[in-house]
Amino acid sequence: SQQGEEDPQALSIQEGENATMNCSYKTSINNLQWYRQNSGRGLVHLILIRSNEREKHSGRLRVTLDTSKKSSSLLITASRAADTASYFCATSPNFGNEKLTFGTGTRLTIIP
Amino acid sequence: GAVVSQHPSRVICKSGTSVKIECRSLDFQATTMFWYRQFPKQSLMLMATSNEGSKATYEQGVEKDKFLINHASLTLSTLTVTSAHPEDSSFYICSATPPGVGQPQHFGDGTRLSIL
Repeated sequence: SQQGEEDPQALSIQEGENATMNCSYKTSINNLQWYRQNSGRGLVHLILIRSNEREKHSGRLRVTLDTSKKSSSLLITASRAADTASYFCATSPNFGNEKLTFGTGTRLTIIP
Repeated sequence: GAVVSQHPSRVICKSGTSVKIECRSLDFQATTMFWYRQFPKQSLMLMATSNEGSKATYEQGVEKDKFLINHASLTLSTLTVTSAHPEDSSFYICSATPPGVGQPQHFGDGTRLSIL
């Protein structure tokens, strides 16, 4: 069963604006990851944050994790048309990074 | 970077046909691979964990006899959808984790299966 839920389900913004997506989960985790999926393609790993971390940056991506609220957010700054995709959070219960449980995803559309 | 290749990318076949999907790790060895299923505009559901040299581990509700998994080598896992029916139409994606501490899963590009 799916553990995570993401909101919003869909998000449309103008190019150049920032996009924020949220993810909530239900059980204890070792780490939380964000993936990107272009339409009809596989998933691309974006960033991983461990349960003992609160914030992590990678380029235009910023991820936060609040284990007390069992939630995470992904911020994409200065969005580009090429950022249009679906974004999924995924949690893993162990350090070995197996048995990922995916959230419901956010479909992000960047309007040029 | 680590590459996972999935083949075929698209299959259209008649009801009752068995379909085999291959998942290969191109530049690393993977003792474990994962098979997911994704319905349109929905998330990925883990179907099974493919273990090299041993039986696959199936998630609850996934029929073992329907979805046969073979992981005969460290770089290849196959998923066979046996006697496929229209309700088996879906997007199937595999993944594998390269060796090393904390490595993320790397995904294939998926296989779109359409059963007529």
